[in-house]
Amino acid sequence: RKEVEQDPGPFNVPEGATVAFNCTYSNSASQSFFWYRQDCRKEPKLLMSVYSSGNEDGRFTAQLNRASQYISLLIRDSKLSDSATYLCVPPIYNQGGKLIFGQGTELSVKP
Amino acid sequence: NAGVTQTPKFQVLKTGQSMTLQCAQDMNHEYMSWYRQDPGMGLRLIHYSVGAGITDQGEVPNGYNVSRSTTEDFPLRLLSAAPSQTSVYFCASSYKSSGELFFGEGSRLTVL
Repeated sequence: RKEVEQDPGPFNVPEGATVAFNCTYSNSASQSFFWYRQDCRKEPKLLMSVYSSGNEDGRFTAQLNRASQYISLLIRDSKLSDSATYLCVPPIYNQGGKLIFGQGTELSVKP
Repeated sequence: NAGVTQTPKFQVLKTGQSMTLQCAQDMNHEYMSWYRQDPGMGLRLIHYSVGAGITDQGEVPNGYNVSRSTTEDFPLRLLSAAPSQTSVYFCASSYKSSGELFFGEGSRLTVL
């Protein structure tokens, strides 16, 4: 098993749908983790930071399941503009400047 | 406030040529890093630095050198380019180990 794994997708969902992505990791040392969003051929940008077991920001909810060693991102009421690739940075790896990303999950929201 | 600036944005090299990708940030961030992104591979860490004079290897360091003589600059050097180094390269910086990376716009490199 790789250290960080994401389902690459693509996830094709209709507008208004709820969609969830998981990011599994093989070890854990801290509670902070991050989700980044990357639009086609652009640089990644921080979407959510989580410093405890979870965080909610509008239509987006991020959660950490330490027992099962995964982090999740839930998007409610999907918009066309949510179409992008979502990259996770799970716990242990965001220490000392060495951040290791998952390979990304592609989301396509259709009208 | 320019953030993270990468140059050049596009470059074509022949096998065996050398070049340097420049990265500069004006946010006084201690941490800087270089990633490469290939289709289906996500972002892979090449090298990173936690401060001036300090660098370390990431996941895929072979074929690349870095130095960090100032807080602002973190150049990435390809000593002898190979076709396998064709990729999009992103430089990023963060305040200490916050995990909140700020990325440059990327440098698209093709090695023929």
